[in-house]
Amino acid sequence: ETGVTQTPRHLVMGMTNKKSLKCEQHLGHNAMYWYKQSAKKPLELMFVYNFKEQTENNSVPSRFSPECPNSSHLFLHLHTLQPEDSALYLCASSQDPYPVGGGSTGELFFGEGSRLTVL
Amino acid sequence: ILNVEQSPQSLHVQEGDSTNFTCSFPSSNFYALHWYRWETAKSPEALFVMTLNGDEKKKGRISATLNTKEGYSYLYIKGSQPEDSATYLCAPGTASKLTFGTGTRLQVTL
Repeated sequence: ETGVTQTPRHLVMGMTNKKSLKCEQHLGHNAMYWYKQSAKKPLELMFVYNFKEQTENNSVPSRFSPECPNSSHLFLHLHTLQPEDSALYLCASSQDPYPVGGGSTGELFFGEGSRLTVL
Repeated sequence: ILNVEQSPQSLHVQEGDSTNFTCSFPSSNFYALHWYRWETAKSPEALFVMTLNGDEKKKGRISATLNTKEGYSYLYIKGSQPEDSATYLCAPGTASKLTFGTGTRLQVTL
């Protein structure tokens, strides 16, 4: 139990569907992240939110739309996805992304992931 | 974008063996180096976060070293146990942007 919960754990959707992935962290962290892992590829950063503000968008297609209503919740809205978007989507949180002067180590706390299949 | 290489890609050892893996990364603009352990069907778990050249960290039978000048980090496991079976990921990064390697998959058998 890492304190980061993702739902659903598995999702199958058609290319015309609209669905959302949800992430919730109970650690009091300020930063939340979406990562994607495709088969035989490394974890790839998609989005970073710090204090509810998006600070990083790693050239992600607009069919992926993140939302961070507060520091504890992060959503990834999906629509008109392609079969190549099938992957494991991991949410993570951290105390603070690398504060100057120490304190937090910046380590990420991950959820168990949402396995997405696009038909 | 950093080019992060981990070797070997996979490793199969017997219980009790000691082993080590390598993470290589560009040495310029270094900020921090993370190591994570990822067991099948679980979430990646942080092992170490290292920031200083020459840093050595230890957690039980697992330890890591860091050389920022030449751009590599080693992860050592002493006396491997079946519960050490997992994929070990390294990730150098700047600010909030970590770049993960593809990992070393370790299998420990009895």
